Amino acid sequence: DAGITQSPRHKVTETGTPVTLRCHQTENHRYMYWYRQDPGHGLRLIHYSYGVKDTDKGEVSDGYSVSRSKTEDFLLTLESATSSQTSVYFCAIRSEQAGYNSPLHFGNGTRLTVT
Amino acid sequence: AQTVTQSQPEMSVQEAETVTLSCTYDTSESNYYLFWYKQPPSRQMILVIRQEAYKQQNATENRFSVNFQKAAKSFSLKISDSQLGDTAMYFCALELEWGNMLTFGGGTRLMVKP
Repeated sequence: DAGITQSPRHKVTETGTPVTLRCHQTENHRYMYWYRQDPGHGLRLIHYSYGVKDTDKGEVSDGYSVSRSKTEDFLLTLESATSSQTSVYFCAIRSEQAGYNSPLHFGNGTRLTVT
Repeated sequence: AQTVTQSQPEMSVQEAETVTLSCTYDTSESNYYLFWYKQPPSRQMILVIRQEAYKQQNATENRFSVNFQKAAKSFSLKISDSQLGDTAMYFCALELEWGNMLTFGGGTRLMVKP
């Protein structure tokens, strides 16, 4: 599975609480991404990173922040979770050696429920 | 901004038969990449096939092939000799050549029946 681990796999939290999801890779790739998956919307990009401390916003970044202090870890934080953030979250990595538009390799996802 | 539309929320096919999943997209750019990803019940996202827009020849990967119609902005996926293991959600995705963001369609749920 391209050496990507997401944790936790499942989480239930209450509205207003902070939540951090972790993505860990063993491939030493520069590019890492956070997507959310919702019925009818496919996957939508939240944030991505192109190196340590280099991040940028995706199309649905409101309410989310990210950090990348090490190549292998990309953290997604919901500062104050809301019910609209109930979703399945996917981390993905991309190998720059395989070409600029090379396919993404995805983790197994984190199912987050905000009650 | 680019958009990707999959007009078939659900489809079914008998084992060993052929099925075609539709995808249309919209972008003003001339160079881009198109992808089909498969998501089985395990939830893992798996690349099925990839097409560069500047290549006229349709991509094929074993039982999977695409019909890429650039002028019509259409990118359909054909699965031949369908197998039970093909049961999954299928997502069409578009990425601009200069970009760093895949835009996904809403998905098509495919059920292969024995």
